[in-house]
Amino acid sequence: GAGVSQSPRYKVAKRGQDVALRCDPISGHVSLFWYQQALGQGPEFLTYFQNEAQLDKSGLPSDRFFAERPEGSVSTLKIQRTQQEDSAVYLCASSLGAFGQPQHFGDGTRLSIL
Amino acid sequence: QKEVEQNSGPLSVPEGAIASLNCTYSDRGSQSFFWYRQYSGKSPELIMSIYSNGDKEDGRFTAQLNKASQYVSLLIRDSQPSDSATYLCAAEGGSQGNLIFGKGTKLSVKP
Repeated sequence: GAGVSQSPRYKVAKRGQDVALRCDPISGHVSLFWYQQALGQGPEFLTYFQNEAQLDKSGLPSDRFFAERPEGSVSTLKIQRTQQEDSAVYLCASSLGAFGQPQHFGDGTRLSIL
Repeated sequence: QKEVEQNSGPLSVPEGAIASLNCTYSDRGSQSFFWYRQYSGKSPELIMSIYSNGDKEDGRFTAQLNKASQYVSLLIRDSQPSDSATYLCAAEGGSQGNLIFGKGTKLSVKP
C-alpha cells in the first residue's frame, strides 16, 4: 500500500520568502507528526495532530512556523519569512494512534534557504 | 530535558560479523522504543519496536531493552554491506507520543 507522501522533495527559497510543505499520511492513520532533521542529527519533534486537532505544537521553533490538518488527512507545514537556520529536512510521520504505535516516515522535504 | 544518547560512531564491522548498537535514555516514563535505519539522503525506516524488558528477535535483528538501566540495544547478526547506514534509536517521550531520537550511530560493514 501507499506510504507517507511528502512534497516537494526539494525546495529552495530566498531568505524572507514563505514556504509550504505538504504531507499525505498513510490512509487511516489518525496520528500525524512533523519533525525537523538537521544534518548529522536525529529528527526533532515539531508538532502533532490527532485527526484534525493539533494537540501539541511545543516543538515549533518560532511563531513563523504554522501547521494545519483541516480535514484530518493531508497536513501542511508553513514557514513564514524564512531564515537560513530553517534549512533542514522536514519529515512527516503517521501512525495508527499516538502511544505505542510505530511511526512511519515520508521521504521528507529538503529545504534550503539562500 | 528528555534525551536519548547514542555513540555516533562510525562503527565498522567485517561482513558476517555481529554489529552491536547501543543507546541510553533519560526519561524513566518512556514505555516504547524503536530502532530506525536511515540511508544517506533517505527517510528513517522502522526496523524494530520493543516495549518490555528482554530480547525481541526479528530475522537477523535482535532488540534488547533494560528499563532499570534505561538502556536499549540492537544486534545485527551476519552483517551485510547493505546494512551500512545510520541507525537511530528513539524513545517515546512526548506528552502526545512523539519520539525523542538520538543522533544516530553510523554503521559501516566492510566486505
